Amino acid sequence: DTGVSQDPRHKITKRGQNVTFRCDPISEHNRLYWYRQTLGQGPEFLTYFQNEAQLEKSRLLSDRFSAERPKGSFSTLEIQRTEQGDSAMYLCASSLGKAGTETQYFGPGTRLLVL
Amino acid sequence: AQSVTQPDIHITVSEGASLELRCNYSYGATPYLFWYVQSPGQGLQLLLKYFSGDTLVQGIKGFEAEFKRSQSSFNLRKPSVHWSDAAEYFCVDQTGANNLFFGTGTRLTVIP
Repeated sequence: DTGVSQDPRHKITKRGQNVTFRCDPISEHNRLYWYRQTLGQGPEFLTYFQNEAQLEKSRLLSDRFSAERPKGSFSTLEIQRTEQGDSAMYLCASSLGKAGTETQYFGPGTRLLVL
Repeated sequence: AQSVTQPDIHITVSEGASLELRCNYSYGATPYLFWYVQSPGQGLQLLLKYFSGDTLVQGIKGFEAEFKRSQSSFNLRKPSVHWSDAAEYFCVDQTGANNLFFGTGTRLTVIP
């Protein structure tokens, strides 16, 4: 049983650099979510895909952030011109079923540190 | 908009003691509520969920939660805590939304 995987698990970058994270959902899951978790807080929603369509974006997702899911399978989250405030754990989740009632399964996260 | 309150930031219990973690939700519609657990170095794991029906829901690892509409609460309980239960616990609301709304979490410490 392969769950949700994320790569890399850790990323250290300098302010102003671009970073890209990858998420591989559970294979039959059609919905994919990105969340961000800062220290001492619960995860906050960033964006959501159903198949390859990006259906919802949070106000947290500034124009420096872009997410894709080109073939409805894996997804990438890119942050351009990183800032120290972007330092956080970025979590991916996937699900299958009726939207709004299904169980979301989370990956281990990518921890980003911006110096 | 959804709002989930976990009033206890940190709780310490002795191994073998009972546990109750508090959660209050604010959205008025029929709620979709979850409890997730996050251990260091591990991803978020679903403990249990409530969509409708029986207000006492059973989860994994011996946890249960009771939905009380009159109190807008969804508290998590376990009769006897094990050292491996030490983790961060999140109450989550998905009522009327695609995404999850997380509380701020309660960190559980278990002392021998």
